[in-house]
Amino acid sequence: EAGVTQFPSHSVIEKGQTVTLRCDPISGHDNLYWYRRVMGKEIKFLLHFVKESKQDESGMPNNRFLAERTGGTYSTLKVQPAELEDSGVYFCASSSQGGISNTEAFFGQGTRLTVV
Amino acid sequence: GESVGLHLPTLSVQEGDNSIINCAYSNSASDYFIWYKQESGKGPQFIIDIRSNMDKRQGQRVTVLLNKTVKHLSLQIAATQPGDSAVYFCAEGSGGYNKLIFGAGTRLAVHP
Repeated sequence: EAGVTQFPSHSVIEKGQTVTLRCDPISGHDNLYWYRRVMGKEIKFLLHFVKESKQDESGMPNNRFLAERTGGTYSTLKVQPAELEDSGVYFCASSSQGGISNTEAFFGQGTRLTVV
Repeated sequence: GESVGLHLPTLSVQEGDNSIINCAYSNSASDYFIWYKQESGKGPQFIIDIRSNMDKRQGQRVTVLLNKTVKHLSLQIAATQPGDSAVYFCAEGSGGYNKLIFGAGTRLAVHP
């Protein structure tokens, strides 16, 4: 069974440009999470989808970030326009049912975003 | 604030020794804790978890200890192997367990 996959693995863009990150969760997983780790800091929660609905988006830093999960399958995270402080590694995770405490959340390998 | 931190950013151990990675948390309301291992180029991988109604839980070569009195969490790895070299993160469950708060991470380096 394929794990959580993220694309691209690396992205280098200029300040002001737009970037879209994609996450394909494990098939059948209703819960999808986005996290990010900026350089030298903690991994921080961004948001949580249950199927196509945003359950919790309290971690989204500002309105330059837009996450979608149309159809409740894969998810995209768009940053527009990108700023230097958006650089970091963006992780996606999925779990099958309930919260993370009920079933293990599987993480993707992350997308390393560099804004120059 | 509500955050999870780590005492040591880097831990070096000899192969075969036991490793102990520590973590402090500040939210006394947190009742679910997880340890993750992250190898280079990979995402965090679940190691072991523990709920606040327990103070110890054992897995294969790993043990997690929870001390709620001092809000301290530790991960013990027995007979550390080169393959254990990675960054280890502790995390606490928050907001119905769908939002994890991570610590900054501890790098474990295992020397032959």
